[in-house]
Amino acid sequence: KNEVEQSPQNLTAQEGEFITINCSYSVGISALHWLQQHPGGGIVSLFMLSSGKKKHGRLIATINIQEKHSSLHITASHPRDSAVYICAVTPRVGGSQGNLIFGKGTKLSVKP
Amino acid sequence: GAGVSQSPRYKVTKRGQDVALRCDPISGHVSLYWYRQALGQGPEFLTYFNYEAQQDKSGLPNDRFSAERPEGSISTLTIQRTEQRDSAMYRCASSFNRGTEAFFGQGTRLTVV
Repeated sequence: KNEVEQSPQNLTAQEGEFITINCSYSVGISALHWLQQHPGGGIVSLFMLSSGKKKHGRLIATINIQEKHSSLHITASHPRDSAVYICAVTPRVGGSQGNLIFGKGTKLSVKP
Repeated sequence: GAGVSQSPRYKVTKRGQDVALRCDPISGHVSLYWYRQALGQGPEFLTYFNYEAQQDKSGLPNDRFSAERPEGSISTLTIQRTEQRDSAMYRCASSFNRGTEAFFGQGTRLTVV
């Protein structure tokens, strides 16, 4: 079982829809990251959070430390939001994998 | 530099050859990470450095893979005697220190033929 699980793996939405991508993890963490991977391959950090909620434009990320779960929401989705969204966690000090443990990603396609 | 720079962007090599992949992190970033990403998969941890010290190399698949960061800045990931299964996107990231936001390079697409 992966230490970071994302759902869904693939998501197709119509422009304007509200989108939710979920991430569950099984290790103790010091931070959780949401990343966006563009079709050209580049990876951009969207959020890094350790508690509560963060908002940037149409993107909202929440985390529940007790439940070891985070969600990424996109409001009023647009075709330019089409990308792979990756959840990653920084294990607590003493973790064996350095900076980040990655989920497999959620491929989002927003149709006009 | 302004961002994390990796070179080359694309590398095609014959099986059995050695390859060296370069990562130039953001200036002042202490932590540097190497990841490998197969098509359709999330990135997979290989190794990471704080300054010039290799803190964790547990993700390196076998002893054909090695990495160094001799002066605590530029890092090189070397794959000896490449095999077709080594074909993947190799990504480098850096952060100010461990646990802070990571910035990714564009990656090196390695194809072993």
